[in-house]
Amino acid sequence: EADIYQTPRYLVIGTGKKITLECSQTMGHDKMYWYQQDPGMELHLIHYSYGVNSTEKGDLSSESTVSRIRTEHFPLTLESARPSHTSQYLCASSSGTSGRIDEQYFGPGTRLTVT
Amino acid sequence: KNQVEQSPQSLIILEGKNCTLQCNYTVSPFSNLRWYKQDTGRGPVSLTIMTFSENTKSNGRYTATLDADTKQSSLHITASQLSDSASYICVVSDRGSTLGRLYFGRGTQLTVWP
Repeated sequence: EADIYQTPRYLVIGTGKKITLECSQTMGHDKMYWYQQDPGMELHLIHYSYGVNSTEKGDLSSESTVSRIRTEHFPLTLESARPSHTSQYLCASSSGTSGRIDEQYFGPGTRLTVT
Repeated sequence: KNQVEQSPQSLIILEGKNCTLQCNYTVSPFSNLRWYKQDTGRGPVSLTIMTFSENTKSNGRYTATLDADTKQSSLHITASQLSDSASYICVVSDRGSTLGRLYFGRGTQLTVWP
């Protein structure tokens, strides 16, 4: 069982609200990721980080932003939530050890519903 | 275009029966292929990871095969249990380690009935 945590697990919020989804890991991994997943669809990478103060946008355009001030913490923020943001958000981390398969460990996810 | 296609989309089997899930990919260059199990409302959990040189890998009742020439993989589940009900996701990486980009399939939704 991977030591990666996400809070809240479920969130129902009104349009226009600012929200922050929390993700933390205790494995000391340098690399962290945020994925978005709709029911029956594949995971899409929306943000990733290779270390403290490093953040990059993923393949899927997202209105969310991320920060990486501490190794173990990688929060995702939506400044103004909209119904189109309704989805499951999965956080993952990996050690990024050179020369080895970079296995990603996933958190339990946050199910976000914007009304 | 790099893609990962899984079949069937969904599958229902009776407890104790075996089943095989399929994955075809067009990802190139190929680094490794992973099978994940995702329970409803949870994050994916890794079952197996195979590199180019590996033809088969087992994890308990789960056995994955890889044919890198035809770009096909399968996941065989033996003596299914109710707890096997989940989505099984095939993921292909196009490079190793630090530059690895992952391509996800949409998953096969497996339901095991008693």
